[in-house]
Amino acid sequence: SQKIEQNSEALNIQEGKTATLTCNYTNYSPAYLQWYRQDPGRGPVFLLLIRENEKEKRKERLKVTFDTTLKQSLFHITASQPADSATYLCALGAGSYQLTFGKGTKLSVIP
Amino acid sequence: AAGVIQSPRHLIKEKRETATLKCYPIPRHDTVYWYQQGPGQDPQFLISFYEKMQSDKGSIPDRFSAQQFSDYHSELNMSSLELGDSALYFCASAAGGFYEQYFGPGTRLTVT
Repeated sequence: SQKIEQNSEALNIQEGKTATLTCNYTNYSPAYLQWYRQDPGRGPVFLLLIRENEKEKRKERLKVTFDTTLKQSLFHITASQPADSATYLCALGAGSYQLTFGKGTKLSVIP
Repeated sequence: AAGVIQSPRHLIKEKRETATLKCYPIPRHDTVYWYQQGPGQDPQFLISFYEKMQSDKGSIPDRFSAQQFSDYHSELNMSSLELGDSALYFCASAAGGFYEQYFGPGTRLTVT
């Protein structure tokens, strides 16, 4: 069955450092991958979308890579700030309307 | 900028009752998605609509039904509520179906 794994449930990082979150998937051939941010009790907020034929995407302090051979996406936040503390979800889409989410990684940026 | 609107924001129902959740997508978005998120869980896709037609179906119980109306708003109808239906229900909208989704603030449903 399809499976999405995000590297860890929680990640603590010092302010100013680069946070790297991992999303691995199996039994899936996604056409695109998305990353969302979710704060407690609120809806996910779209951050970045990367398609299967793209290797890397950047937006301000965010960078996403997508390796369809390794079946992995890396999500980087450079110069992390306490305001970046949240749960980050990766989500895969395969040409249907349905998005399949991973369980998320809770990032805490320590001042 | 206009966002996705969901109502009500909070809803308390008893077992076996019915509930109706409403979603108003971002203007000019033609696709609506419904998700259920239990405590500490990832959002689970329930159903989606594109141009007022059901476009995809996920793990939506038979007790639930949904539709998208001519003004593109959508309603999720839930009957014979069970304790396990207690969750956050999110609606998301998108332009054209396969692109990034914009989520609403959610409806917190509590079944007692």
